[in-house]
Amino acid sequence: TQLLEQSPQFLSIQEGENLTVYCNSSSVFSSLQWYRQEPGEGPVLLVTVVTGGEVKKLKRLTFQFGDARKDSSLHITAAQPGDTGLYLCAGVAGGGNKLTFGTGTQLKVEL
Amino acid sequence: NAGVTQTPKFRVLKTGQSMTLLCAQDMNHEYMYWYRQDPGMGLRLIHYSVGEGTTAKGEVPDGYNVSRLKKQNFLLGLESAAPSQTSVYFCASSYGGGYQPQHFGDGTRLSIL
Repeated sequence: TQLLEQSPQFLSIQEGENLTVYCNSSSVFSSLQWYRQEPGEGPVLLVTVVTGGEVKKLKRLTFQFGDARKDSSLHITAAQPGDTGLYLCAGVAGGGNKLTFGTGTQLKVEL
Repeated sequence: NAGVTQTPKFRVLKTGQSMTLLCAQDMNHEYMYWYRQDPGMGLRLIHYSVGEGTTAKGEVPDGYNVSRLKKQNFLLGLESAAPSQTSVYFCASSYGGGYQPQHFGDGTRLSIL
């Protein structure tokens, strides 16, 4: 089983602050996704990265896939209360067709 | 747009009871999945299906069975519920495997007493 560890597990910040969430593994992944989950709902896909070193931006969110395809990061600029939620990374091992989910980062952004 | 619909949303069972969770998708997706979500452990794959009439084991299949008799439906069964199966269960579907986006239902919160 390929393990994806996320850090930090919990993060509570004030509106306007910047933050970075990390997703690390000892395994190589052919692609990596980030999902956000709000209370009482299922996860919703934010982005998919497939190339080592790839950087994608989604408004205030910046996603990076590590050069070695073993890690990824999510950076949020000027966090807002609407960013509150559980952030999950998920990777596909080379040649596989199943996602392995990370342990999750619970983010709370307060006014 | 219904997407992925799970029923029921909540259920409380006694140890040893059986039940079936239903997942329905209206996106004509080939792949369907059942996950369980426990605190600090993310989502773990129980079983999945790559098409009508097919099923396969995921990471934590013990104690669960599944069936995919129709393309739009994926059923998860607990034959003899145990307290360790207390969890939130999510169904998802996708057009294909790999990095194809998975679309999730809103979950079923199951408590086993």
